[in-house]
Amino acid sequence: AQKITQTQPGMFVQEKEAVTLDCTYDTSDPSYGLFWYKQPSSGEMIFLIYQGSYDQQNATEGRYSLNFQKARKSANLVISASQLGDSAMYFCAMREEIGFQKLVFGTGTRLLVSP
Amino acid sequence: NAGVTQTPKFRILKIGQSMTLQCAQDMNHNYMYWYRQDPGMGLKLIYYSVGAGITDKGEVPNGYNVSRSTTEDFPLRLELAAPSQTSVYFCASSYSRDRGGQPQHFGDGTRLSIL
Repeated sequence: AQKITQTQPGMFVQEKEAVTLDCTYDTSDPSYGLFWYKQPSSGEMIFLIYQGSYDQQNATEGRYSLNFQKARKSANLVISASQLGDSAMYFCAMREEIGFQKLVFGTGTRLLVSP
Repeated sequence: NAGVTQTPKFRILKIGQSMTLQCAQDMNHNYMYWYRQDPGMGLKLIYYSVGAGITDKGEVPNGYNVSRSTTEDFPLRLELAAPSQTSVYFCASSYSRDRGGQPQHFGDGTRLSIL
């Protein structure tokens, strides 16, 4: 069965610094996708970044990058130059690419960015 | 761009009452999903649909029903509301797996309290 583990319930970072949010996963499927979503206090789920299991390079989207280490089964999110608006819950999720594309979510990490 | 629209945004029900949570998407997505998010937790899949007329159970389907008569709409029905169904409900949609890294797009959620 697929499983996502986020071991950091909360993280603090100062504005303009970089922060890494951890995510490890477990699956027996050879083909899968990894996603990060942001959930601000207003509650909506915002897609940030995607990494495919066969992608050779780490994904990047603006200030977001995904540190993908396949052998370690980790997919950490790196936010560079943190901004106050980055304060939110962050969820790591995995999607099986074989069969139905169910998303399995971790329990999330709450990030607080201080001035 | 409307994306995924959920109604209502908030609702309070009495134990034993019934209601339907509405979800509509205008992106011509094949796949649609219903999740629930309990406090401090990630999202759990309730039901999903891979196309009009085709639905299946997710991880936590008990107490819910769905239908999918059109590509656009995917309502979630609670027949006999119970306090354990107090949660935030998210509807999401996506293309089929042929689109690779396309993410699921989420609605803004329905906050439901059962008293």
